[in-house]
Amino acid sequence: DAGVTQSPTHLIKTRGQQVTLRCSPKSGHDTVSWYQQALGQGPQFIFQYYEEEERQRGNFPDRFSGHQFPNYSSELNVNALLLGDSALYLCASSSYRGFQETQYFGPGTRLLVL
Amino acid sequence: GIQVEQSPPDLILQEGANSTLRCNFSDSVNNLQWFHQNPWGQLINLFYIPSGTKQNGRLSATTVATERYSLLYISSSQTTDSGVYFCAVGSYNTDKLIFGTGTRLQVFP
Repeated sequence: DAGVTQSPTHLIKTRGQQVTLRCSPKSGHDTVSWYQQALGQGPQFIFQYYEEEERQRGNFPDRFSGHQFPNYSSELNVNALLLGDSALYLCASSSYRGFQETQYFGPGTRLLVL
Repeated sequence: GIQVEQSPPDLILQEGANSTLRCNFSDSVNNLQWFHQNPWGQLINLFYIPSGTKQNGRLSATTVATERYSLLYISSSQTTDSGVYFCAVGSYNTDKLIFGTGTRLQVFP
């Protein structure tokens, strides 16, 4: 049973560029959440997708957008990259049953913006 | 929003020692999870424990929801226990997890 997978593992971009990160949820899960973890801090919630729609959003600008596909996999897009977007981006999957259940995290994508 | 505080921020132990990590939260929660983040950044689920007590090998956790805190116990620590331990909570009106600032544990042989 594959866990949560993310790609790529590492990425280097320059300011102003755009980036797309990908996530495949754990088998049997239908909900994907994205988090940003800056160095030395705890992860911060970006948004959550369920049934191909954004269910909830954290305090992140519109430069951060996402998508969920019919197979429940998800993408995180960041436009007009800033130096401050350098972070570990984590994807978490869960099974929505009308209430929160355990979230399982992928290995993350390390993004460096130069 | 809910505030999550963890203590201590840093912990240095010798192999074989026991430790207790604490997580305080400011409001009622319906989700509380403990994670271990290894040096490569992977967040590993330890416990899903919005209330009660659970044990898994050398680790155990207790959440007292009415008093808004949770404790993670590590017994007979090993060098592989090193890393950052996070507590994360979710409330009734949100699906997101709110993470604490973490406890950085270093276990030396």
